[in-house]
Amino acid sequence: SQQGEEDPQALSIQEGENATMNCSYKTSINNLQWYRQNSGRGLVHLILIRSNEREKHSGRLRVTLDTSKKSSSLLITASRAADTASYFCATDRIRGAQKLVFGQGTRLTINP
Amino acid sequence: DGGITQSPKYLFRKEGQNVTLSCEQNLNHDAMYWYRQDPGQGLRLIYYSQIVNDFQKGDIAEGYSVSREKKESFPLTVTSAQKNPTAFYLCASSLSGYNQPQHFGDGTRLSIL
Repeated sequence: SQQGEEDPQALSIQEGENATMNCSYKTSINNLQWYRQNSGRGLVHLILIRSNEREKHSGRLRVTLDTSKKSSSLLITASRAADTASYFCATDRIRGAQKLVFGQGTRLTINP
Repeated sequence: DGGITQSPKYLFRKEGQNVTLSCEQNLNHDAMYWYRQDPGQGLRLIYYSQIVNDFQKGDIAEGYSVSREKKESFPLTVTSAQKNPTAFYLCASSLSGYNQPQHFGDGTRLSIL
């Protein structure tokens, strides 16, 4: 069962611009995590935001969480060609025994 | 360097054949997971294990089996009962407890001959 849905499914921007991806989910959560996947590779963990947090930063990444709307956004500022990848949100459901549920991802392309 | 190693990178299965995908981690993590990823899709959980000698079914366990005899190893067998096995298989591990990120291997791509 897919809990998270990312929006948009694909995003193409110019290098240097900011990229925003959104994630919506259905049930109460312990935390929401964002991962990056380069083509043909495994996922790399980017940020974890707990259900009692509203915003978190890591370098050029900014994540927000709105539990009342069951939604999250990932902002990548000053994008670079190396940011080209698919980005997934994953939720760790309350009483979910560490079982992450992944969305279908946003495919981000940064054009030089 | 600590990490997760999946092998082989590519695997081909004949009709009626069982195949086993290897996953080894040296991160000293208690929890390990197997996911399936179909083209353009997110990950779906096959099996997970929170401790040695114990494992639980995920959302799509039918046609798959696992074992967890050692903390470092969590092999996945794709049995002949799995009628549509062509996919990208990802193994992950994490520390126990809530609010832990998962660390992923680089996957095994399984195809049907």
